[in-house]
Amino acid sequence: QKEVEQNSGPLSVPEGAIASLNCTYSDRGSQSFFWYRQYSGKSPELIMSIYSNGDKEDGRFTAQLNKASQYVSLLIRDSQPSDSATYLCAGGGASNTGKLIFGQGTTLQVKP
Amino acid sequence: NAGVMQNPRHLVRRRGQEARLRCSPMKGHSHVYWYRQLPEEGLKFMVYLQKENIIDESGMPKERFSAEFPKEGPSILRIQQVVRGDSAAYFCASSPSGTSGGPGQETQYFGPGTRLLVL
Repeated sequence: QKEVEQNSGPLSVPEGAIASLNCTYSDRGSQSFFWYRQYSGKSPELIMSIYSNGDKEDGRFTAQLNKASQYVSLLIRDSQPSDSATYLCAGGGASNTGKLIFGQGTTLQVKP
Repeated sequence: NAGVMQNPRHLVRRRGQEARLRCSPMKGHSHVYWYRQLPEEGLKFMVYLQKENIIDESGMPKERFSAEFPKEGPSILRIQQVVRGDSAAYFCASSPSGTSGGPGQETQYFGPGTRLLVL
């Protein structure tokens, strides 16, 4: 059973729209969550980290965490074609002893 | 401030040869993690190391794979007697500290990766 799950997509949104990416996790011991962006053929790039229930905003990005529902999301406002990439959700901390458990990633396509 | 460095960026080996992948963490980071990404698959944890210590190797294949992070020099992921199934992108990440360091201290930053192709 996968520990972090994401819809693989592709998720297609028009330029300027809000893209909503979702992730669920099974390990209740996870304390920290991360969103990475990965362009094709490149390495993962950290976008956001979140540790507490609620919302965390950074520019056009908002991460949301609901530990009771074991749910993490990433909202991208005013989506741009350059946001087209695969977004990886990862859980870590506590029982994971430092390692990150990644979801399969959601491919986002932002159409001009 | 230099990021995580990995070399080589591309490595071609024939079946049965050895592959050595190197990783230098970001300045000030003492924790190193190795991940593997097979084609069209997600990132899978392999091993977590601190200087001269393996903290968690639960993701390492039982045979042919080993990792070290010596007191001096880069971390090395070694694959002996490579097979075609080892062809993948191998990413190294580093963090300032582990989970004991508090929120943010375990945030991992990734290097550019080494693309291994086994012929």
